Amino acid sequence: GAGVSQSPSNKVTEKGKDVELRCDPISGHTALYWYRQSLGQGLEFLIYFQGNSAPDKSGLPSDRFSAERTGGSVSTLTIQRTQQEDSAVYLCASSHPSRRQGVGAYEQYFGPGTRLTVT
Amino acid sequence: RKEVEQDPGPFNVPEGATVAFNCTYSNSASQSFFWYRQDCRKEPKLLMSVYSSGNEDGRFTAQLNRASQYISLLIRDSKLSDSATYLCVVNKGSSGSARQLTFGSGTQLTVLP
Repeated sequence: GAGVSQSPSNKVTEKGKDVELRCDPISGHTALYWYRQSLGQGLEFLIYFQGNSAPDKSGLPSDRFSAERTGGSVSTLTIQRTQQEDSAVYLCASSHPSRRQGVGAYEQYFGPGTRLTVT
Repeated sequence: RKEVEQDPGPFNVPEGATVAFNCTYSNSASQSFFWYRQDCRKEPKLLMSVYSSGNEDGRFTAQLNRASQYISLLIRDSKLSDSATYLCVVNKGSSGSARQLTFGSGTQLTVLP
């Protein structure tokens, strides 16, 4: 079946511009996560959506970053007034809670990412 | 102390070798454990979940030691295609953030012909 898709695959923008990154999760997955990964670094959690609950924004690095999830499906990550340190690969993942019960977490499936370069 | 710690490697092994990676985690309340692999400039892909009793999937065996808070991954008869970075992944415990995963920085494996 279709996996997680993200667009654009690459984005080059000038410092100070706003960018929007899009994520289409796997159909039926109610949880959606955004991460970023700088070159040679590990994954940094940004934000988490679960169904209709308020999102967990604890990982957003500054108020220039925001995200929305419309209709419980597609999500958009917006970065305002981009800075060079925002350059990274932005990864989206989704998971299906019914695969596991209890208090644990579920397997996450990643999209191919958006490679953002701020010049 | 990092939430999830891995030896970054690199591990360079010949084809057919057996190689093992360990990972330690700091939150004793963590309930869910996974190994992901990430190829160069690609997204992480789930390799296997790690269950309390240990589990095996073909050439891959995962073990969990809750008392010592470490997870291991054993790869037998390694193939060239196993070359990748292996990420140890743990959830954030049983609190409200339990659904979140913390990713280790990864262990780089290169299988040599």
